[in-house]
Amino acid sequence: GAVVSQHPSRVICKSGTSVKIECRSLDFQATTMFWYRQFPKQSLMLMATSNEGSKATYEQGVEKDKFLINHASLTLSTLTVTSAHPEDSSFYICSAMAGGGTGELFFGEGSRLTVL
Amino acid sequence: SQQGEEDPQALSIQEGENATMNCSYKTSINNLQWYRQNSGRGLVHLILIRSNEREKHSGRLRVTLDTSKKSSSLLITASRAADTASYFCATDATGGGNKLTFGTGTQLKVEL
Repeated sequence: GAVVSQHPSRVICKSGTSVKIECRSLDFQATTMFWYRQFPKQSLMLMATSNEGSKATYEQGVEKDKFLINHASLTLSTLTVTSAHPEDSSFYICSAMAGGGTGELFFGEGSRLTVL
Repeated sequence: SQQGEEDPQALSIQEGENATMNCSYKTSINNLQWYRQNSGRGLVHLILIRSNEREKHSGRLRVTLDTSKKSSSLLITASRAADTASYFCATDATGGGNKLTFGTGTQLKVEL
């Protein structure tokens, strides 16, 4: 199946710093990628839809100035958590949709962010 | 966004037994998907069932969909310890732009 790579898998940072997480589709082009957030033992909450070449569409309640999303190419979307605080600590997962309209999403392995 | 609900929240069974998880959702859908997540890892796609399908099989997995009741079930037959994971249903709502809304998940533990 299609492969989505997410990097870094784990990151620890100090409060106030910014952290960038990359999501790459390795063997297919993804015009649309999705960013999710998951708290321990909870479900995935969609944060935003990332569209190549255009602005991301954020879900209600997600601060777009805090969670910057860039989808500069058909194989790469980035999520930057700006001025991170401990409450931003979470598991962030991206997914990408392969072409062909199958509806199947391929997920990255996730990035665990810990803000001290 | 509204989430579907899954039950049970947690399920513990013995190896060899069958495991059944249920998912309910609220909107009309294009399809419903089931995913598996091992602790601290990404999601693995298990099976997709379209709104016009009622049942689908894949290996030891059997999924049913009842759109009139807005519910789905995932059956894992002859479970193995390696099936221990969290299982999520996710719906692709009609007109939702391929966004998936995830259920609350069922944590399955298969004991030897």
